[in-house]
Amino acid sequence: GQNIDQPTEMTATEGAIVQINCTYQTSGFNGLFWYQQHAGEAPTFLSYNVLDGLEEKGRFSSFLSRSKGYSYLLLKELQMKDSASYLCAVRDPGSSNTGKLIFGQGTTLQVKP
Amino acid sequence: GAGVSQSPRYKVAKRGQDVALRCDPISGHVSLFWYQQALGQGPEFLTYFQNEAQLDKSGLPSDRFFAERPEGSVSTLKIQRTQQEDSAVYLCASSYTEGRHPGGAEAFFGQGTRLTVV
Repeated sequence: GQNIDQPTEMTATEGAIVQINCTYQTSGFNGLFWYQQHAGEAPTFLSYNVLDGLEEKGRFSSFLSRSKGYSYLLLKELQMKDSASYLCAVRDPGSSNTGKLIFGQGTTLQVKP
Repeated sequence: GAGVSQSPRYKVAKRGQDVALRCDPISGHVSLFWYQQALGQGPEFLTYFQNEAQLDKSGLPSDRFFAERPEGSVSTLKIQRTQQEDSAVYLCASSYTEGRHPGGAEAFFGQGTRLTVV
């Protein structure tokens, strides 16, 4: 079966750096996504990794190691508005190949002053 | 419109009532997904459409759940004889590529419909 694990909650200080980890066990691999979701709002796309290594996009970076089934999202220069849930998701590598996503439970990040 | 639009934003249904949830995807998007998100959890896949064809409905929890996209644009998720365990946020997402195409084509999500069954 498919399984995605990420911490339930994290707390960090404004201006600091935080790393949110995600591990996955899937029968294959076809890409990993990170989404941000503020309470009561739509998930919004942050990053996509399909090859090993680091993808940087402004204050946010995402890393992937396919051999370890591991990814992390790195947030730099934290701002209060970064308080949200961060969802790790892998594209289902199943035969139907619809592009559907399998999500982790999400990590709720609280940024404190 | 500029994004994925869902209506209603909130729906309270009495147990046993039928409900219909609407999704207007981004114009021209081929792929459309429905997900169910319980409180404090990540979204869980329900069903997938490529244009008007429902190619995957493996995530629908029971035969009380039915989805359609008759003209390949607007989609409706219908839940018959609602139960308390159906209470959740129902998210719709669309993407411009077909699912089988590789690459990082992101799915754009709507704000969801929060369904509460009482």
